[in-house]
Amino acid sequence: RKEVEQDPGPFNVPEGATVAFNCTYSNSASQSFFWYRQDCRKEPKLLMSVYSSGNEDGRFTAQLNRASQYISLLIRDSKLSDSATYLCVVNGDTGRRALTFGSGTRLQVQP
Amino acid sequence: EPEVTQTPSHQVTQMGQEVILRCVPISNHLYFYWYRQILGQKVEFLVSFYNNEISEKSEIFDDQFSVERPDGSNFTLKIRSTKLEDSAMYFCASSDQDWSEAFFGQGTRLTVV
Repeated sequence: RKEVEQDPGPFNVPEGATVAFNCTYSNSASQSFFWYRQDCRKEPKLLMSVYSSGNEDGRFTAQLNRASQYISLLIRDSKLSDSATYLCVVNGDTGRRALTFGSGTRLQVQP
Repeated sequence: EPEVTQTPSHQVTQMGQEVILRCVPISNHLYFYWYRQILGQKVEFLVSFYNNEISEKSEIFDDQFSVERPDGSNFTLKIRSTKLEDSAMYFCASSDQDWSEAFFGQGTRLTVV
């Protein structure tokens, strides 16, 4: 059974571009949803939580569609420093309360 | 800003040896976790710990693994007899609520030779 699925990328975009990442999860009973960012060989860092109403934090917008079991992340005006792997993370996807991670989508922002 | 700290940052051990990875979670957090990430693969859940006992564990967390909170601040992961396939980055994390985001330490890179 597939758990949290993401397109692995890489997404290569120029500075200033808008880029969107998608993620699907398998368990409709999942309760909490997040995007984390991971730089090469570093720990995952929380980017933002994701709510059904949609939420925005500066250049980042996250959206949750519970009916489709789909999560998205939009990054506007990409910066070189946005280059990283973006991890879709869900509580309860496997019936477990702990976080379940997607494999991540790699973003490379180019000058 | 409070953070999760892990020691050591890198550990090299011989196959069959015991290792203990150490973590100091964020001080007012109640839920503690260990995850691992094999190079090039996704972050995998090992175990969660709450109220001085294991609350969940994955299939990876077999009898070779154990966790302990020996005092009010440390949280440890012990691997009794390491195997080559235990080589990975081990992340400790903590959270203040159930079903909420977790904050990760910088990891311990374990290399089994």
